[in-house]
Amino acid sequence: EAQVTQNPRYLITVTGKKLTVTCSQNMNHEYMSWYRQDPGLGLRQIYYSMNVEVTDKGDVPEGYKVSRKEKRNFPLILESPSPNQTSLYFCASSWEGVNSPLHFGNGTRLTVT
Amino acid sequence: AQTVTQSQPEMSVQEAETVTLSCTYDTSENNYYLFWYKQPPSRQMILVIRQEAYKQQNATENRFSVNFQKAAKSFSLKISDSQLGDTAMYFCAFMKPDGGSQGNLIFGKGTKLSVKP
Repeated sequence: EAQVTQNPRYLITVTGKKLTVTCSQNMNHEYMSWYRQDPGLGLRQIYYSMNVEVTDKGDVPEGYKVSRKEKRNFPLILESPSPNQTSLYFCASSWEGVNSPLHFGNGTRLTVT
Repeated sequence: AQTVTQSQPEMSVQEAETVTLSCTYDTSENNYYLFWYKQPPSRQMILVIRQEAYKQQNATENRFSVNFQKAAKSFSLKISDSQLGDTAMYFCAFMKPDGGSQGNLIFGKGTKLSVKP
């Protein structure tokens, strides 16, 4: 089954404790992105990747890191999480090309206390 | 920078009625793409409809249609014969011109639509 898999679905952590949210897709997609969703703000792009070893900042990259060492994986790293990073996070992927639909993961609910 | 504005945080409609969700955007580009996504309570993001800016004809998908006004930079979504399953958050999205994929979207803040029986 074609899918984007995010883990974990729920995560509660404390300020300053490094964490990684994993994202993996099995569709050989070139494009992958991370978004965060906050009430009243919609989805905002954190980082995106056009291919292996090619990543670029989205609109809200501060406090986040990503890597794209393999085509299928695009982990989101929070080196020192803070409470303002409490949010719902989505990973997404697609082929290159506007006619290729964007496949979303099921989301990760992160709470930083 | 491109921006997407959804001015209606919440809306409600009676089942079987028609409702229109508003979206405006700001860009200096001439060629771009616009989308409406639906997010039901399950959190899943579902593509509803897509519009290419170079096409004058408004896109239609079954009960969903858009009113695309390029000069006004307006992209509204009309849902006809509303069903209870249409209850969801709806997001308008703009694809960055330098992005070659839907993976490079700018989203509006969303409109929460409730369909009442």
